[in-house]
Formats: sequence, C-alpha cells, structure tokens
Amino acid sequence: GQSLEQPSEVTAVEGAIVQINCTYQTSGFYGLSWYQQHDGGAPTFLSYNALDGLEETGRFSSFLSRSDSYGYLLLQELQMKDSASYFCAVSPSMNRDDKIIFGKGTRLHILP
Amino acid sequence: NAGVTQTPKFRILKIGQSMTLQCAQDMNHNYMYWYRQDPGMGLKLIYYSVGAGITDKGEVPNGYNVSRSTTEDFPLRLELAAPSQTSVYFCAIGRTGELFFGEGSRLTVL
Repeated sequence: GQSLEQPSEVTAVEGAIVQINCTYQTSGFYGLSWYQQHDGGAPTFLSYNALDGLEETGRFSSFLSRSDSYGYLLLQELQMKDSASYFCAVSPSMNRDDKIIFGKGTRLHILP
Repeated sequence: NAGVTQTPKFRILKIGQSMTLQCAQDMNHNYMYWYRQDPGMGLKLIYYSVGAGITDKGEVPNGYNVSRSTTEDFPLRLELAAPSQTSVYFCAIGRTGELFFGEGSRLTVL
C-alpha cells in the first residue's frame, strides 16, 4: 500500500524556524508537494520537489531526498498567520504525475 | 477560488438519498480530482481524470461514481448516501504536484 507519514502537531514560536517532516512509502514516486490549509479553507499549493535538493520560495523551503524517501518543509520567520495545517502529497507512480495522494497533515501551532 | 467552482457549498442528505456534486473549471486543465476530507484528517482521493472520457479510481472510490464528458466538468455522484459519506468534498485541477482546489462542498448525511 501507499503511505505518507508526518507529525500530527508541531508547536513553534513567532519569528522562529520550524521543520515539518514527511516520509513516504509508495510503489513508485514522481514528486513531493506541500500544501497549506487554514481552518475552514481549501488547501493551497506551497512547493514541489521532483529532484533531490532544496527548493526555496520566500520564507518557505522544501527539501527532498529520493534515496531516503523523505522530505521536509521549512518555514522561516514564523508569523501568526502561518498557523494552519500542512500536508505533504506524492505522485506514487514511476512515470506519471496524475494520481496524487496526501498525508494526514501536520497542525502547526504558533505561540506569540 | 477562481477557476474551480463547486456546487453546492452545503447539503444535508438523508440516508439512502442520491445526489451529484458539481465541479466546473475554466482553466482548461486536463487533470481533475475529487477528494474527501474528514474532520481533522488528510485528503483522500476518490476519483481522478486525465481528460475528457477518462476516469480512474483513487483510494476510496466505493459509493461514488464520476463522469467526464467535457474538459470543463467533473461531477461526483453519490448513490445511496450513508453517514460515512459525511465529509467535505474538494474538487481540484492541475498536475505535476501543483493542484488548485475549489472551495469545497460540505455534505452531511443523516
């Protein structure tokens, strides 16, 4: 079967840095994505990694290690508005990016 | 969210009733998806489509049906609604890991 594991909750302080990890076990792998979801809202796309290494988008960065089936999302200079749930998602196919499955999400709590 | 329109936004069904959740997009994407999200949980893929006339099962397809007669529309049909189908349903478009979601349809089955 396919599985994605991420911590259920993480707490950090405003202005600090936090890392949210994701490990996956899938029959194949095409790429790893990250999404943010505020309460009552729809998920919004943050970042995508198809190759090993770090992708940086403003305060958010995402890392992928295909050999370790592992990735993380790094949030810097945390702001209160970053309080949300964060989901990793993978395309579990070797050569297709159509089917995309999600982890259970990590709830990020930010303390003032 | 501009580009993906879901209707209805809220609906209450009685057990055994049927209904169709509508999803329409104006971004001409070939790839469309239906997910469900239970409270405090992640998104589970129900069905997806890579183009008109092509659909495929996701992780939790039982109790649902889809069709894709046009690029723009991807309706999700619930037959014989059950309390276990109480959830928020999201339609999404996109590919290569970058999905764009509709605002969701909140369904309660009583």
